Amino acid sequence: SQKIEQNSEALNIQEGKTATLTCNYTNYSPAYLQWYRQDPGRGPVFLLLIRENEKEKRKERLKVTFDTTLKQSLFHITASQPADSATYLCALDPGSSNTGKLIFGQGTTLQVKP
Amino acid sequence: NAGVTQTPKFQVLKTGQSMTLQCAQDMNHEYMSWYRQDPGMGLRLIHYSVGAGITDQGEVPNGYNVSRSTTEDFPLRLLSAAPSQTSVYFCASSPNRGEQFFGPGTRLTVL
Repeated sequence: SQKIEQNSEALNIQEGKTATLTCNYTNYSPAYLQWYRQDPGRGPVFLLLIRENEKEKRKERLKVTFDTTLKQSLFHITASQPADSATYLCALDPGSSNTGKLIFGQGTTLQVKP
Repeated sequence: NAGVTQTPKFQVLKTGQSMTLQCAQDMNHEYMSWYRQDPGMGLRLIHYSVGAGITDQGEVPNGYNVSRSTTEDFPLRLLSAAPSQTSVYFCASSPNRGEQFFGPGTRLTVL
């Protein structure tokens, strides 16, 4: 069956450290993968998109990698801050026709302690 | 731009009642989607649309109807509410197959 999985347990790290979140998928051939941030009581907010032919993408303190052989994406936040505390969702285009459909993982909650 | 707006913010229904969740966007986006979010389940796609007059089912369409008569509006109708439809509902729009812009959500409780 098709699945997209993120660590269900919360990730707790100290301020200033690098947070690494994992997104694994099976039985999909996505054209691209996206990462979103969601704060409690609010809608998700887009962070980064990485295409299947890209190995790495960066935006300020954020870095995303995409390994289509391992079927995995890693999301890194360097020099983390308490304000980075949120739930992070990965989502992929299931590789079907041009529909704009996204399939989401269940999200990983990050807690950055001062 | 207001972006994606959703109404109402909160709603309580009794089992068997019907209602419509409203979603509108002012960014002239072709793609619009409805998701529900339940604890531990992530976002699940209910219905989506690739343009006015075109809709299709997502992962969990049962019990919901949609229509897209204009580019701006994409209402979600609950035909006969059930407790299993208690959830937070998000509408999203996108200009292409990339970034999606989400609304603030509607928290629905069905008693």
